[in-house]
Amino acid sequence: SQTIHQWPATLVQPVGSPLSLECTVEGTSNPNLYWYRQAAGRGLQLLFYSVGIGQISSEVPQNLSASRPQDRQFILSSKKLLLSDSGFYLCAWSVSRKRQYFGPGTRLTVL
Amino acid sequence: DQQVKQNSPSLSVQEGRISILNCDYTNSMFDYFLWYKKYPAEGPTFLISISSIKDKNEDGRFTVFLNKSAKHLSLHIVPSQPGDSAVYFCAASGDNAGKSTFGDGTTLTVKP
Repeated sequence: SQTIHQWPATLVQPVGSPLSLECTVEGTSNPNLYWYRQAAGRGLQLLFYSVGIGQISSEVPQNLSASRPQDRQFILSSKKLLLSDSGFYLCAWSVSRKRQYFGPGTRLTVL
Repeated sequence: DQQVKQNSPSLSVQEGRISILNCDYTNSMFDYFLWYKKYPAEGPTFLISISSIKDKNEDGRFTVFLNKSAKHLSLHIVPSQPGDSAVYFCAASGDNAGKSTFGDGTTLTVKP
């Protein structure tokens, strides 16, 4: 069966510090991968998606970047965090348009 | 411009009654619609979906209705149960990369 791992579960970082969130998927090959952010009381904003290794599309201009070094690994990064980067970050995968499978999420607080 | 809108931030219903959650969209290119359920501090889980070639899809207590001319869809939960209390997100997709645009969610509370 397929599983998605996302870590850490919670993270508190100072403004200006770097960020690296990792997501890995098991049990499927060549998935589409996604990074979302959910601000408090809001919906899910798509940040990045990838249809293959090394292929990254950015949906919104921001302080973040993404990379896909392996087929089932998706990394969200920042060189210098801003207060506005705080939120709940979700990784998801899909192999069709019919549904996405979400990870447990990372709660990021930037102080 | 928000392409998927859930205009009711919250909904409260009595156990056993019907819950109706609504969603409107503006992009005519959307042709696949999904509902997800989310508990606090967890990732969303898929609930039900509908293709634009249909106007209704049913799965147990959950039914999704699509009105393409009005660009409106709704999720009906009958009968509602306390365990249904969660945030419900409407999502719409219009490309083969599987990207979905999400609404802001509706918090459903089912009272015993």
